[in-house]
Amino acid sequence: SQTIHQWPATLVQPVGSPLSLECTVEGTSNPNLYWYRQAAGRGLQLLFYSVGIGQISSEVPQNLSASRPQDRQFILSSKKLLLSDSGFYLCAWTPGLSGETQYFGPGTRLLVL
Amino acid sequence: KQEVTQIPAALSVPEGENLVLNCSFTDSAIYNLQWFRQDPGKGLTSLLLIQSSQREQTSGRLNASLDKSSGRSTLYIAASQPGDSATYLCAVLIAQKLVFGQGTRLTINP
Repeated sequence: SQTIHQWPATLVQPVGSPLSLECTVEGTSNPNLYWYRQAAGRGLQLLFYSVGIGQISSEVPQNLSASRPQDRQFILSSKKLLLSDSGFYLCAWTPGLSGETQYFGPGTRLLVL
Repeated sequence: KQEVTQIPAALSVPEGENLVLNCSFTDSAIYNLQWFRQDPGKGLTSLLLIQSSQREQTSGRLNASLDKSSGRSTLYIAASQPGDSATYLCAVLIAQKLVFGQGTRLTINP
């Protein structure tokens, strides 16, 4: 069966520090991968998605970047965090076929102080 | 630009009641519509997926309907239980991307 992992589960970082969040999927190959952010009082905002290794699409201009170094690994990064980067970050995958549901990871709660 | 709206933002009902959550979307050119559940501090769990050619889907006490022409979907929960308390999110799939509503926070009171 397929499993999606995210780490860390919780992170507290000072403003201006770098960030690296990791997402991995097990039990499938060539998934579509997604990064979302859920800020307090707001809905889920799609940040990045990837349909293959090295293929990243950015949905909104921001202080973040994403990379997909391996088929089942998706990384969200920042060189210098802002206060506004605080939120709940969710990774999701889908089998790559249109019409399939997305499967979400447990999320990483990021607090930038 | 696709926009998804969920009404109400919060709902509190006594245990045992049947209830309806509403979702509306502005662009009817969707591939499917999905309902998710999110418990506090957790990820999302898929509840029901309705393809654009379908009118409804059922799973246990849950029934979701889709009216593409009017841009509406409803999630019906029968015989609600305290364990149903969570935030319910609807999302539409368009161009391989999900667009989410802001959710309805549901509280079932014992």
